[in-house]
Amino acid sequence: EAGVTQSPTHLIKTRGQQATLRCSPISGHTSVYWYQQALGLGLQFLLWYDEGEERNRGNFPPRFSGRQFPNYSSELNVNALELEDSALYLCASSRGPRNEQFFGPGTRLTVL
Amino acid sequence: AQSVTQPDIHITVSEGASLELRCNYSYGATPYLFWYVQSPGQGLQLLLKYFSGDTLVQGIKGFEAEFKRSQSSFNLRKPSVHWSDAAEYFCAVPTGEYGNKLVFGAGTILRVKS
Repeated sequence: EAGVTQSPTHLIKTRGQQATLRCSPISGHTSVYWYQQALGLGLQFLLWYDEGEERNRGNFPPRFSGRQFPNYSSELNVNALELEDSALYLCASSRGPRNEQFFGPGTRLTVL
Repeated sequence: AQSVTQPDIHITVSEGASLELRCNYSYGATPYLFWYVQSPGQGLQLLLKYFSGDTLVQGIKGFEAEFKRSQSSFNLRKPSVHWSDAAEYFCAVPTGEYGNKLVFGAGTILRVKS
């Protein structure tokens, strides 16, 4: 069974640009989660999508947004990039709420 | 709010020695608890989980963890550490209305010396 996949592996942008990160969940998983792992800030919950809807979001500004497609894959968009957005962005999926989450390898976003 | 604390930022053990990584949780009811491992530059791999029932939980790679309600702890153990176990370890508890917003501890970096 294929795990959670994320693309791209690395992404380099300049301040003010937009970044788009993609995630494909494990087959049969309907929930997708996004987490940010920034240096010094640890792992922080960003967004949860289930059945195509945003169900919950963490304490992040609105320029962090995303969507979930009918095939349950997901996209995270970060607008108006700031230097402090540099981080490893991890996607996870689960069979639904209250099930363990399985993580992808992450996308390393660097904002210059 | 639910939270987890990992008191040790770094731990160094010799290869073949036993290991215990500490995790303390703050939660009113019986929590769900997870341990994840992250190798450098990699994502998180689920080592084991506690939902209910037996307080001693077996995981992958020879790891186990024991849930102790009286101590609000869920410590991770391994009887004999291998060099490949060097990584960062995270304890996590699900929070939120649907219990799927993971809150992670700060992590413990394990170094294994030969």
